[in-house]
Amino acid sequence: QKEVEQDPGPLSVPEGAIVSLNCTYSNSAFQYFMWYRQYSRKGPELLMYTYSSGNKEDGRFTAQVDKSSKYISLFIRDSQPSDSATYLCAMGAGGRFGAGTRLTVKP
Amino acid sequence: DSGVTQTPKHLITATGQRVTLRCSPRSGDLSVYWYQQSLDQGLQFLIQYYNGEERAKGNILERFSAQQFPDLHSELNLSSLELGDSALYFCASSVEGQGTAGQFFGPGTRLTVL
Repeated sequence: QKEVEQDPGPLSVPEGAIVSLNCTYSNSAFQYFMWYRQYSRKGPELLMYTYSSGNKEDGRFTAQVDKSSKYISLFIRDSQPSDSATYLCAMGAGGRFGAGTRLTVKP
Repeated sequence: DSGVTQTPKHLITATGQRVTLRCSPRSGDLSVYWYQQSLDQGLQFLIQYYNGEERAKGNILERFSAQQFPDLHSELNLSSLELGDSALYFCASSVEGQGTAGQFFGPGTRLTVL
């Protein structure tokens, strides 16, 4: 079992939809959780980071952590074509990244 | 712009050769991470340095090595190159050694081994 599991998709939604991206993990010691956005062949860009359980909101993005289920989510409201990218979850210290979910938002 | 710089942007070389990739972290960041990303593959963590010392090691081949210098820039050395080493190599930096507030990635170096 991988330490961090993420459905690679691809995920295709119409413009304006609410997008839900998810990761599961196996190490209950993880306390820090991050989401990155990567446009094709570019360096990943840090979107949000959270500590422990709960929600964190930043504009159209909401990160949610459920430590009891070892499950984290990123919600994108009012999705735009410019949100089309690969989204990577990461957690703990160092480089524990999910495989990334490829998202396409269609106009 | 993340503030992390990587050189060169592109590198084309032949099998068996050796190359050096360079990374300058964001101003004030003490930690540098190296990642490999092959076509349509996820990020593979290679190695991390913190303030000049190796902090963590991932799936780094013995043919690969890295170091972080006193001015905090880092170099990743790849030797005896094989076709399968063709990939994007990313450097990232963070203020502290845990990366708990996230990492900031450079634009990457695209390595092509012919």
